[in-house]
Amino acid sequence: AQSVTQLGSHVSVSEGALVLLRCNYSSSVPPYLFWYVQYPNQGLQLLLKYTSAATLVKGINGFEAEFKKSETSFHLTKPSAHMSDAAEYFCAVSVQGGGADGLTFGKGTHLIIQP
Amino acid sequence: DARVTQTPRHKVTEMGQEVTMRCQPILGHNTVFWYRQTMMQGLELLAYFRNRAPLDDSGMPKDRFSAEMPDATLATLKIQPSEPRDSAVYFCASGRGQSTSNEQFFGPGTRLTVL
Repeated sequence: AQSVTQLGSHVSVSEGALVLLRCNYSSSVPPYLFWYVQYPNQGLQLLLKYTSAATLVKGINGFEAEFKKSETSFHLTKPSAHMSDAAEYFCAVSVQGGGADGLTFGKGTHLIIQP
Repeated sequence: DARVTQTPRHKVTEMGQEVTMRCQPILGHNTVFWYRQTMMQGLELLAYFRNRAPLDDSGMPKDRFSAEMPDATLATLKIQPSEPRDSAVYFCASGRGQSTSNEQFFGPGTRLTVL
């Protein structure tokens, strides 16, 4: 079975500062990894995903994430935070090769942007 | 702009009542997922369908929950009888194809409150 750990339930950064949201995964088979964003009272929207091609993945809204197998990590970064980035961010994993298709999510990280 | 739609958006009911939540997946998507989001447990997969056939409902309390897809444009999640611990936001998501790397598109959710 796979699992996801997101370090820090809340992260606060100043507008214009670097955003770093941490995600570590556990999987016995090669994983697919995702970052989703959830704005208040809305569903989840895909930011980016890793599917065993390039280890550095670029997504929407200036976000990117790097897959590091040796560290079992898939941290999300953005060079310069914007007020509109304030939201809940979820890291998720699914496994290659069939099996359960549903995503296993981390607990989420609430990103707060300070003006 | 294709979207997953869910009805109702909000539901308040009393313990013991039947609750039915509906989801219309994006046209052409053949996989439908039901997730539940709570503060304590985060996002959990309840069940999912491919080509209208149920593939996994191991996340669902079998005694009171049931999920169906009467046709390709409608998925339902029913709770009978409802209990206060069922209070949560229920998300439907749809996707295309069979790869677990494929993006899931989420609806806006149904916020259920059981008194």
